Amino acid sequence: NAGVTQTPKFRILKIGQSMTLQCAQDMNHNYMYWYRQDPGMGLKLIYYSVGAGITDKGEVPNGYNVSRSTTEDFPLRLELAAPSQTSVYFCASSFRLAGMTYEQYFGPGTRLTVT
Amino acid sequence: EDKVVQSPLSLVVHEGDTVTLNCSYEVTNFRSLLWYKQEKKAPTFLFMLTSSGIEKKSGRLSSILDKKELSSILNITATQTGDSAIYLCASDSGGGADGLTFGKGTHLIIQP
Repeated sequence: NAGVTQTPKFRILKIGQSMTLQCAQDMNHNYMYWYRQDPGMGLKLIYYSVGAGITDKGEVPNGYNVSRSTTEDFPLRLELAAPSQTSVYFCASSFRLAGMTYEQYFGPGTRLTVT
Repeated sequence: EDKVVQSPLSLVVHEGDTVTLNCSYEVTNFRSLLWYKQEKKAPTFLFMLTSSGIEKKSGRLSSILDKKELSSILNITATQTGDSAIYLCASDSGGGADGLTFGKGTHLIIQP
């Protein structure tokens, strides 16, 4: 199992450009998540998905969009990049039943710089 | 709004020392508290504590959940340089979005 994979590992964007961060998992997990981590801060939830075709906003969704057409893939789209989106982005997945908690498995992260 | 606070934010100790990291939480419909270790890359899972499992131990690491005080501690005994990392505490609750709420983390440095 590859677990959770993310591409690219690093990216530099100019203000106003757009890009898609890719995330895939091969553990057949129903839940997938996108977090961002700024220096000295914990992870903040951007969007999450409870299954294919279902997504919902997290704590900091502005400036981002997601889709979940398959169980395996959960791409994150930045439409108009802004310097405030400079961060490290982590994708995660977990198997989850209603009302229960299971550990989340994290991808290696994408370091994004917007200048 | 759910809130997780960790202390201290940073800590420097010598190899062989014992350290205690703190985490307090204010969440709606608490379900569990998780500890992760983050070295240079992705967080890796350490423990999950719930109302039915308030104490966990793995080797030199152990963690306890205090449901009355809404807090948790992570203990590391006989520290080694490989324990140097950021330790993240996160809560899982039934309120709001269905993801984890993380604290800022404790940056632990173990000096030889």
